[in-house]
Amino acid sequence: AQSVAQPEDQVNVAEGNPLTVKCTYSVSGNPYLFWYVQYPNRGLQFLLKYITGDNLVKGSYGFEAEFNKSQTSFHLKKPSALVSDSALYFCAVRSHYNQGGKLIFGQGTELSVKP
Amino acid sequence: GAVVSQHPSRVICKSGTSVKIECRSLDFQATTMFWYRQFPKQSLMLMATSNEGSKATYEQGVEKDKFLINHASLTLSTLTVTSAHPEDSSFYICSARPPPGQDRGEQFFGPGTRLTVL
Repeated sequence: AQSVAQPEDQVNVAEGNPLTVKCTYSVSGNPYLFWYVQYPNRGLQFLLKYITGDNLVKGSYGFEAEFNKSQTSFHLKKPSALVSDSALYFCAVRSHYNQGGKLIFGQGTELSVKP
Repeated sequence: GAVVSQHPSRVICKSGTSVKIECRSLDFQATTMFWYRQFPKQSLMLMATSNEGSKATYEQGVEKDKFLINHASLTLSTLTVTSAHPEDSSFYICSARPPPGQDRGEQFFGPGTRLTVL
């Protein structure tokens, strides 16, 4: 069965410090991995994805994520956090076998960046 | 590009009435759209997969007679909550997937619809 785990409900970071939001996954076959961000009462905005190629993926707003196959992880990172990064972050996975494109979402991690 | 809209953004209705939510892909054709439900500060729960010109595929536990989905064109899917009750109050989000050949893997999400049933 496919699953995604985000072990931290909340991550607190001081502005200017690096941030990491963790994600591990379980999927049959090669994974397609995604990070989305959600601001209050809004839909999800796409940040970045890993389909194939370089394990380090760069995305929007200075975020990046590293695909680690041996650890089945896809942690989201940013070198220097901004207060405006405070939001709810979702990791999602899809198996490349899944031609229907259905995404499995993690439970979400609330990121709080304090000045 | 890849913009998805939802209408209305917010709706309040009385118990027993039906509410229709529209999801539109504005600048691409979406053969597949997805409907999700989200409770406060929780993850998205997939309700159904909507394919243009065919019946929707519902996830286990989702009542198809209560949540009617129609994907009548390549740019529009609708979700109708029939005989709504207070427990149907939630944030409903749709997403759209570009057709094969344009699909790069990700889904594009609408801004969501906040439904409150009194």
